Amino acid sequence: DTEVTQTPKHLVMGMTNKKSLKCEQHMGHRAMYWYKQKAKKPPELMFVYSYEKLSINESVPSRFSPECPNSSLLNLHLHALQPEDSALYLCASSLQAFSNQPQHFGDGTRLSIL
Amino acid sequence: QKEVEQDPGPLSVPEGAIVSLNCTYSNSAFQYFMWYRQYSRKGPELLMYTYSSGNKEDGRFTAQVDKSSKYISLFIRDSQPSDSATYLCAMIGGGGADGLTFGKGTHLIIQP
Repeated sequence: DTEVTQTPKHLVMGMTNKKSLKCEQHMGHRAMYWYKQKAKKPPELMFVYSYEKLSINESVPSRFSPECPNSSLLNLHLHALQPEDSALYLCASSLQAFSNQPQHFGDGTRLSIL
Repeated sequence: QKEVEQDPGPLSVPEGAIVSLNCTYSNSAFQYFMWYRQYSRKGPELLMYTYSSGNKEDGRFTAQVDKSSKYISLFIRDSQPSDSATYLCAMIGGGGADGLTFGKGTHLIIQP
């Protein structure tokens, strides 16, 4: 079992739906990340939060909206997604952002857009 | 030339064999090196984290770093079918400002 917990594990949504992905960690990490992973590809960084503030947005479309309510929680709000957004969405955390500390990943949410 | 090169495989070996997985990199700013294991439909799991050139051992796994050649390896001894997964190498620069840079991942199959 991973120490980064993501819900839901699977999500199927239409292009007009609004849904949210959730991530939680209790390791005392102050950096949290969202990644997108397509089949047979490595994870691609989307967002970085450092001490609950958005530090990096890797030119992600506005239909993805991150939120960090507190140091343990990270959400990703989804709206008007496209079929090409179907992927595995991974949350990760590390002791600090922009440091040499390794990142720890959750098991992801597998998202399918109809 | 990509920053991190990793053969995607698949690499198929018989059970009990020693497995060697490798990555090469071009950016000398990379100072910290990780190996992640990813099972199908799961997230990447951190296996090894190293800094110094040389070897680091953890059970059946040995991570090797050669900074002068810009080459890292992961060895798996006494391989088991449960080791079948995708193995991703990842690297961080000295300051960490650019985050993780991943290799493409090697798909490993251990045949019973």
